[in-house]
Amino acid sequence: EPEVTQTPSHQVTQMGQEVILRCVPISNHLYFYWYRQILGQKVEFLVSFYNNEISEKSEIFDDQFSVERPDGSNFTLKIRSTKLEDSAMYFCASSDRASDNSPLHFGNGTRLTVT
Amino acid sequence: AQSVTQLDSHVSVSEGTPVLLRCNYSSSYSPSLFWYVQHPNKGLQLLLKYTSAATLVKGINGFEAEFKKSETSFHLTKPSAHMSDAAEYFCVVRHTGTASKLTFGTGTRLQVTL
Repeated sequence: EPEVTQTPSHQVTQMGQEVILRCVPISNHLYFYWYRQILGQKVEFLVSFYNNEISEKSEIFDDQFSVERPDGSNFTLKIRSTKLEDSAMYFCASSDRASDNSPLHFGNGTRLTVT
Repeated sequence: AQSVTQLDSHVSVSEGTPVLLRCNYSSSYSPSLFWYVQHPNKGLQLLLKYTSAATLVKGINGFEAEFKKSETSFHLTKPSAHMSDAAEYFCVVRHTGTASKLTFGTGTRLQVTL
């Protein structure tokens, strides 16, 4: 069964550094998402992306965050200047349609640790 | 605004006994509801989904959930727990009118003992 893949599985960075989290969504999917889960807290929506533009974003997704689909297969999340509070598990997801019947398929996540 | 409440943060059952993980939702409209499971160091795997076609929804690994509008509930059940069911389970609601935004519950950690 096709799956969403994320790299790296664990990223350690120093505060103020830029990080790029990478995702390869399922190949025929058109809708892409990033969610995050701070340790001990809920999984939270960050952003959705369709047709090469952001379709929706949460209040968490401020100017420090950006997303990009640089080619036909990758979907990236960039954090420009990381803060300690950005430490979390980041999940990429994709879906094939924007309908209630189409669930999101999640990757295994990237654990980001900011020191 | 749509939301879900998972009533138990931790549930412990013996192997071979039934599992009940509780979820209540709040939604102005008929919601789309999901259960996801997260095994240690793994991603979020879809267990089952409710999208108004049938109130009793069967998922993978023997799990099922019943949508009860009168009780605003979507509890997850399994007749007989297996050791491999030990994981974190999330009840999730999709926001009406958008494909984007899922709201997750706080999760229920299921422990299965011998």
